[in-house]
Amino acid sequence: KNEVEQSPQNLTAQEGEFITINCSYSVGISALHWLQQHPGGGIVSLFMLSSGKKKHGRLIATINIQEKHSSLHITASHPRDSAVYICAVRSTGTASKLTFGTGTRLQVTL
Amino acid sequence: DAGITQSPRHKVTETGTPVTLRCHQTENHRYMYWYRQDPGHGLRLIHYSYGVKDTDKGEVSDGYSVSRSKTEDFLLTLESATSSQTSVYFCATYSTATGELFFGEGSRLTVL
Repeated sequence: KNEVEQSPQNLTAQEGEFITINCSYSVGISALHWLQQHPGGGIVSLFMLSSGKKKHGRLIATINIQEKHSSLHITASHPRDSAVYICAVRSTGTASKLTFGTGTRLQVTL
Repeated sequence: DAGITQSPRHKVTETGTPVTLRCHQTENHRYMYWYRQDPGHGLRLIHYSYGVKDTDKGEVSDGYSVSRSKTEDFLLTLESATSSQTSVYFCATYSTATGELFFGEGSRLTVL
């Protein structure tokens, strides 16, 4: 079993839909990162969470440390949100040990 | 934007040749990382650095070496490239002040 599991692996939505991407992990962590990668593009950090909830524009990220689970929500989705979303966890007590999920590929259609 | 640049962005080479990828950052971040990204796998750590001349191996370090002679530059070397090293390579830095990660644009390497 991977230390970081994302679901779903692929997601297609229509413009305007509310989207949720999930990340579950099995190790103790000091932080969780949500990253975005557009096709053929670089990787951009969206959020870094150690507890609670963060919001940036139409994106909301939450984390439940006890349940070892995080969600990324996109409200009023738009075709420009089409990308791969990657969850990564930083293990407790280290700056080196980052474990990445395999990503959720999101396509938002008109 | 942490000002991370990778070079070259694209390279095609032949099996057995040496290859060096360069990562340059302008933010004075202490931690720098090299990852490879392959279909079906999450990003996998090759090597990382926690300061000038301080480096350590990651989970897929075989066939790779690194050097960091200046804070701003982190070099990844494939001494003798193999086809299994065909991949997209990402450099990243970590800000200990904010906990944020910053990634370069990636370097696509093809080994024929």
